[in-house]
Amino acid sequence: SQTIHQWPATLVQPVGSPLSLECTVEGTSNPNLYWYRQAAGRGLQLLFYSVGIGQISSEVPQNLSASRPQDRQFILSSKKLLLSDSGFYLCACQRVAEAFFGQGTRLTVV
Amino acid sequence: GQQVMQIPQYQHVQEGEDFTTYCNSSTTLSNIQWYKQRPGGHPVFLIQLVKSGEVKKQKRLTFQFGEAKKNSSLHITATQTTDVGTYFCALSRDSGNTGKLIFGQGTTLQVKP
Repeated sequence: SQTIHQWPATLVQPVGSPLSLECTVEGTSNPNLYWYRQAAGRGLQLLFYSVGIGQISSEVPQNLSASRPQDRQFILSSKKLLLSDSGFYLCACQRVAEAFFGQGTRLTVV
Repeated sequence: GQQVMQIPQYQHVQEGEDFTTYCNSSTTLSNIQWYKQRPGGHPVFLIQLVKSGEVKKQKRLTFQFGEAKKNSSLHITATQTTDVGTYFCALSRDSGNTGKLIFGQGTTLQVKP
């Protein structure tokens, strides 16, 4: 069965600092992968979508970027964090029709 | 673009009472999914509805897809404290099998023991 590893679980970063969140998937090959963000107490917003190595689709304009250097590795990055980047970041893969989520990273930008 | 409205935003019930959350779309949906997110946790898939008028049950949870495929509901009978969390509906963002989803804003359920 599929497993998603996401780290770190919690992160506090100063404004203007860089960001790198990593997600790895086990138990499947060539998965569709996604980064979602959830603002405090709100719904999930799709940030990035990838169908394969090096293939990234950005869904909303923002201060973040994503990369997929390996089939089962998906990275979310920023060169300079903004206060508005705070939130709960969730990596997900497609399992049949539904999304299967990792445990998430709770990012606070201070 | 496609959007889905979910109501209510919050619901506080006494343990044993029923609970319902509703999702409404202005466009016809190909399918709708439901997820549950426990406090501090990540969303977990519950079910997908595809057919017009479809009703599916999972123990005390009843999921319904409207005849026009523009709305859906999740009903919990006799809530328990384990039902606490936020319930989201989600729909496919495009017609292809990309797996991209648009989520409703969620309904947060609190259950008083």
